[in-house]
Amino acid sequence: EVQLVESGGGLVQPGGSLRLSCAASGFTFSSYSMNWVRQAPGKGLEWVSYISSSSSTIYYADSVKGRFTISRDNAKNSLYLQMNSLRAEDTAVYYCARDIRSTGGFDYWGQGTLVTVSS
Amino acid sequence: SSELTQDPAVSVALGQTVRITCQGDSLRSYYASWYQQKPGQAPVLVIYGKNNRPSGIPDRFSGSSSGNTASLTITGAQAEDEADYYCNSRDSSGNHLKGYVFGTGTKVTVL
Repeated sequence: EVQLVESGGGLVQPGGSLRLSCAASGFTFSSYSMNWVRQAPGKGLEWVSYISSSSSTIYYADSVKGRFTISRDNAKNSLYLQMNSLRAEDTAVYYCARDIRSTGGFDYWGQGTLVTVSS
Repeated sequence: SSELTQDPAVSVALGQTVRITCQGDSLRSYYASWYQQKPGQAPVLVIYGKNNRPSGIPDRFSGSSSGNTASLTITGAQAEDEADYYCNSRDSSGNHLKGYVFGTGTKVTVL
């Protein structure tokens, strides 16, 4: 059974940093690209970042470019999102999601971890 | 940046058919995927590619696309289909992929 479990969320002050993790199991993690998607309270889904299976290709949404860094450790079956210079508008539930290579899209999602940026 | 536009809300009588649309330039080049999200839960993929359903998704869900518009159709809507629905697709700048874009979301109410 495919499982994605996010962790690392919490309350952080504006300008602060946080590192999210996503532990993957039930599939060959090193064969799949992965994504982070977020959802602000009461709002829609927003794609945040993509990383290919070998980490050779990385994309970011314009809203986080230069502040967030996506990475992965295939030996540990883990995906990460380093978030720096956090702003109030980064407050959201953050999901990791597995990429569908052939057609695009996200076939498995974690349960999400809440990040709150507030003083 | 690219945008995918959806109607904010639609309603459907129990057992009837509802179509949700998603419009955007990226859909001329890339497939749309569709997600169902119920309150307090993570999104669930319901349609991907040309018209593919993941295992466990009922066959009352189907997808189609023409030009810059993708559609999700629920034929014979059930009470449990009441949820928010989002489309998304790959996104590019010229010939270069640059990630993904999500639609604005549609709230489906089953009457």
